[in-house]
Amino acid sequence: DVKVTQSSRYLVKRTGEKVFLECVQDMDHENMFWYRQDPGLGLRLIYFSYDVKMKEKGDIPEGYSVSREKKERFSLILESASTNQTSMYLCASSPIAGGSYEQYFGPGTRLTVT
Amino acid sequence: GDSVTQMEGPVTLSEEAFLTINCTYTATGYPSLFWYVQYPGEGLQLLLKATKADDKGSNKGFEATYRKETTSFHLEKGSVQVSDSAVYFCALSDLGSNYQLIWGAGTKLIIKP
Repeated sequence: DVKVTQSSRYLVKRTGEKVFLECVQDMDHENMFWYRQDPGLGLRLIYFSYDVKMKEKGDIPEGYSVSREKKERFSLILESASTNQTSMYLCASSPIAGGSYEQYFGPGTRLTVT
Repeated sequence: GDSVTQMEGPVTLSEEAFLTINCTYTATGYPSLFWYVQYPGEGLQLLLKATKADDKGSNKGFEATYRKETTSFHLEKGSVQVSDSAVYFCALSDLGSNYQLIWGAGTKLIIKP
């Protein structure tokens, strides 16, 4: 089975802190994604990566950056956390082979910025 | 551009009722279609998928048929259980989506005993 793990299930940070959210997948997938999920707003794509050291902005990249130094690991960075970044963060990976691009998700990190 | 529209929730049903959650799509190519489920406090899980017209995806008693003529992929289950209470997302991918999934807004399902 595909496994996607995220470094924390719950995280509490202070405004202005630099925050790192880590995601690791064990299935050698090329693509990896970061989403945030807020009530009434559905899933919104922050960034995705289709290869090591490659990244593409999603729909809401402002205030975030990403790093992909190894194929299995995709990190989301909040350079200076703000209260409006309190949210559920979901990481996903998907293969290119097969052509359907289904995504496999981690359990999520619920981040609270105070 | 591509889009997915699914029925608004919450949908509230009694245990053992028949479930339908509607999903329609707009796509320029020949998309693959998916249903995901999210249980409270968890990430999303792939529930079922269909990759071409008339395909039926099925899993855990849920079914959905890829209808190209009506651009639909409605989720059905014959007899729901309390444990089916969750949020259900419809999604599509195609060559024009740059490896991404295009998501519906999600439908919350509440099953009462």
